[in-house]
Amino acid sequence: AQSVTQLGSHVSVSEGALVLLRCNYSSSVPPYLFWYVQYPNQGLQLLLKYTSAATLVKGINGFEAEFKKSETSFHLTKPSAHMSDAAEYFCAVSGGSNYKLTFGKGTLLTVNP
Amino acid sequence: EAGVTQSPTHLIKTRGQQATLRCSPISGHTSVYWYQQALGLGLQFLLWYDEGEERNRGNFPPRFSGRQFPNYSSELNVNALELEDSALYLCASTSRVIVDGGGYTFGSGTRLTVV
Repeated sequence: AQSVTQLGSHVSVSEGALVLLRCNYSSSVPPYLFWYVQYPNQGLQLLLKYTSAATLVKGINGFEAEFKKSETSFHLTKPSAHMSDAAEYFCAVSGGSNYKLTFGKGTLLTVNP
Repeated sequence: EAGVTQSPTHLIKTRGQQATLRCSPISGHTSVYWYQQALGLGLQFLLWYDEGEERNRGNFPPRFSGRQFPNYSSELNVNALELEDSALYLCASTSRVIVDGGGYTFGSGTRLTVV
């Protein structure tokens, strides 16, 4: 069984500040980990993924995430927030034979001017 | 390359009716996943189709069903609609060959409203 916990349903930062969105996972098999972003009334867009290669993963729009097996974490960061980053962010895990993605409950990011 | 296409974008149905949602995967992708995103409930896995067969289903009643066609497009059917079925239904596709190293590409969703 797999699960994802996203700490903080709502994170608010100022424009130009560091963005840190937390994700912890549980998986009985080596996981594949993903971060997706969802803008209002849209589908999910893949930001980045970890698939057992480099533990520091760089994605689109300046985001990156680090896989830490000892901490079972996959936190998403961005050095400097832009207004356009305001959206909901989902961490997800897959692995094993059923291939389905299991999502966290999401974190709504607000960027203040 | 065309992305995952879902239709219709919006659907309004009356309680007790049936709804049919459609998904066209990216060319070359053989797997289709359906998710329900209801307000306050997050993204819940509904169904997984691969190579024309249902491979897995989430914790939903049997009135949620679907199929995958030979061209790998998929339909999600919801019978005997209930008010709580109102949600955004998202479809994702991936290739079985790359699923372990790739991502899942999502469509923009169908917004189902049951009145």
